Amino acid sequence: QVQLQESGPGLVKSSETLSLTCTVSSGSIKSYYWSWIRQPPGKGLEWIGYIYYSGSTNYNPSLRSRVTISIDTSKKQVSLKLTSVTAADTAVYYCARDYGPDRFDIWGQGTMVTVSS
Amino acid sequence: DIQMTQSPSSLSASVGDRVTITCRASQSIISYLNWYQQKPGKAPKLLIYAASSLQSGVPARFSGSGSGTDFTLTISSLQPEDFATYYCQQSYSTTRSFGQGTKVEIK
Repeated sequence: QVQLQESGPGLVKSSETLSLTCTVSSGSIKSYYWSWIRQPPGKGLEWIGYIYYSGSTNYNPSLRSRVTISIDTSKKQVSLKLTSVTAADTAVYYCARDYGPDRFDIWGQGTMVTVSS
Repeated sequence: DIQMTQSPSSLSASVGDRVTITCRASQSIISYLNWYQQKPGKAPKLLIYAASSLQSGVPARFSGSGSGTDFTLTISSLQPEDFATYYCQQSYSTTRSFGQGTKVEIK
């Protein structure tokens, strides 16, 4: 069964860049789409964007100017970079397999990122 | 962007109750609608995809229906492990979006 594990700093300073990695284990990274989704404390889910294993991407228009998602198929890793962060970017960040692509069928456990001033 | 609106935002129910949650899209999404369950401190879990298809391993007491703009998630007999927050999500648009969530609490 495919497993996803997010990793990266839990604390990022305001105006700096948030960088996270999602490692895919026990399964293939190829032929799938991979999404990043976030959830501010006590709030709902927000889709950030996805990447296909070929490298094509699609981002949420609300974050497009600040987001980059990349993929390293040899390492089986998907990465997220979010620039110029503010307190509003404080959230649990999840990576998920976007099967179809029309549904998020496998999720990582999530990683909490706090933006400090 | 497609807006997803769930109702109610929260509900209280007892074990054994039949529970219905509604999700409305701001435009037709045909049947590109998924439902997720999230428990505190955990990642969401896919329950229903394509409006009415049960994800593998999900109990049959969960069911989904609807098409176009109006969708429903039904739990036929609420179990203790079903107390959680439920989210709908559309995949019609390449910009994915979620409903705001419905919290199911113990009465």
